[in-house]
Parts: sequence; structure tokens; C-alpha cells
Amino acid sequence: KQEVTQIPAALSVPEGENLVLNCSFTDSAIYNLQWFRQDPGKGLTSLLLIQSSQREQTSGRLNASLDKSSGRSTLYIAASQPGDSATYLCAVGGSSNAGGTSYGKLTFGQGTILTVHP
Amino acid sequence: DGGITQSPKYLFRKEGQNVTLSCEQNLNHDAMYWYRQDPGQGLRLIYYSQIVNDFQKGDIAEGYSVSREKKESFPLTVTSAQKNPTAFYLCASIVQGGAGELFFGEGSRLTVL
Repeated sequence: KQEVTQIPAALSVPEGENLVLNCSFTDSAIYNLQWFRQDPGKGLTSLLLIQSSQREQTSGRLNASLDKSSGRSTLYIAASQPGDSATYLCAVGGSSNAGGTSYGKLTFGQGTILTVHP
Repeated sequence: DGGITQSPKYLFRKEGQNVTLSCEQNLNHDAMYWYRQDPGQGLRLIYYSQIVNDFQKGDIAEGYSVSREKKESFPLTVTSAQKNPTAFYLCASIVQGGAGELFFGEGSRLTVL
């Protein structure tokens, strides 16, 4: 059974710092890996999606890497801002199979609560 | 604007009552999902549907029921058999066979009194 772990559980940094959030998973047979952001009491917003054949994806100040063989992904946030304060969730999708797969069946980590203070 | 609409945002229920959470999407997505989120835990899959009139159980389906009569709608009923229903419920959808990006609604918070 796939298990996803995120470290650290919480992180507090001053504005302007570059930071790294970590995600590890136990089964390397994945279809993709997604990073989401969640604000308090809100739904999830997709930040980056990495297909299993890819090594990284970038969007603005965000960069996510994937090392499938070691079961690890990192989310790098450059020049952090107070508006980046949120919970960041990592989720992996299972591998495809001959019978087809439902790509929305994700296994989630527990999240990293990020606080960026001015 | 295209998106996923969940209602109600907050819902209070007495023990022994069934409640239904609504999820509507206008993204023309094929597949829809219900996840449950509890404090300190990751999201867990309740039910999902890849096509109209068909749905499958997720990891924690006991005490829940769903229907998929229209492509746009995937309501979730929390029955009295669900022993610990207080949670944040999230509906999501995806284009089947696409890149796999999952889109979420804003969630519904259910509290059992």
C-alpha cells in the first residue's frame, strides 16, 4: 500500500528565504506526483504536476523535482513571501495498468504548514 | 467561469440523520471524486465515478453513498451508519486520460452535534 510522508510537518521562515519542502513515497510505481496548496478552510489548488517520466516542473517561483527510483520529491520555493503561507500537500497517483486506472485516485501526505513572516 | 461548486459550505447534523453534500462541475470532466480530510491526516478517498451511472468505492466508503445520474453532478450522502462523520469533505474532478491534474471544489464542513 502506498504511503506518502511529508517533512517537515511545519515550517516558519522570514520573508525572502528560499525553502524546500520534502515528500517521500514508498511505492515507486507511480503515474504522477502533484503538489497542492491549501489555505485554511478552503479547497486544494494544484501547483505543479510531474509525470512519472519527468524529472521536474517549474512555475514562477516554484520548482518541483521528482526522483522516482528513490521515492522522493521536493518543492522549492524561491524568495518566499507572506502570501505563500499555507499548507502544502504532496500526492501521488498510482501507475496505469491494462485495465485502465482512475488518475484521480491519489494518495496524499499529511502536508507541511508553512508560515512566512514579514 | 469553469469550476467545481460544493454546497453547503457548512452543515450541522444531529446524530442519526442522513445528509447530502452537493458537488457540481462545469468543466466537462469525466471523472469525479469525494475525499475526506481530518485534522492531522491526509485526504482519504471515499468514492469515485469515472462515468455516468457507475461509481466505485474508495478506501473509506463505509457509511457513505453516492450517485452519478449526470456528468456534471456527484452528490455524496453521509448516512447515519457513518460512525465519525465530522470532517471536511472535498469534491474533485479530472479529465480521464489526460495529464492527471486534479481540480478541487472549496469543500463542505460537516459537524455532527
